[in-house]
Amino acid sequence: NAGVTQTPKFQVLKTGQSMTLQCAQDMNHNSMYWYRQDPGMGLRLIYYSASEGTTDKGEVPNGYNVSRLNKREFSLRLESAAPSQTSVYFCASSAQGSWTDTQYFGPGTRLTVL
Amino acid sequence: QKEVEQDPGPLSVPEGAIVSLNCTYSNSAFQYFMWYRQYSRKGPELLMYTYSSGNKEDGRFTAQVDKSSKYISLFIRDSQPSDSATYLCAMSPGNQFYFGTGTSLTVIP
Repeated sequence: NAGVTQTPKFQVLKTGQSMTLQCAQDMNHNSMYWYRQDPGMGLRLIYYSASEGTTDKGEVPNGYNVSRLNKREFSLRLESAAPSQTSVYFCASSAQGSWTDTQYFGPGTRLTVL
Repeated sequence: QKEVEQDPGPLSVPEGAIVSLNCTYSNSAFQYFMWYRQYSRKGPELLMYTYSSGNKEDGRFTAQVDKSSKYISLFIRDSQPSDSATYLCAMSPGNQFYFGTGTSLTVIP
């Protein structure tokens, strides 16, 4: 039981390049989330998927797109990376759609945009 | 004004000390309060969860919520070097989590 896994662990991009961050969970959870963590800003929600087939914007969605590929997988895409998107990205999952459920986080992807 | 305010520290204490970590918030709609622990270069993990005013205890950890003052605390008794981590508070009105910036704690052997 790996929990929540994320790939890649590290990535360096040039401004304007695109990339997709992958996330998978093996806990049969319904809900999945993408956060970014920046110094002095804390964790901020980018997008979430309450259940398979649905996605919704969070606090900071601009510049990102998401795909809930199936119940296990939730990907985050940067179409044209900008230096402001340099951050640590965390994927999380929870059993139900309730915001009171425990969220289980992956190990993070450290992204640098030059 | 941020929804959740948390002193980033860093906080350094000797082993065995009692540690107090705090957050304040401005949104009176927050009903659910959580504390996460995050080790260096790892994802956050849930420590404690409560949705009422008062105290909740789990081993060496006690979470305290004072809704009238919009103030929450996490107390760690008999602190251990393994408690060295960043502690994040989080709270929710029921539709989204709002996280504090985290307090970095080091427990010195």
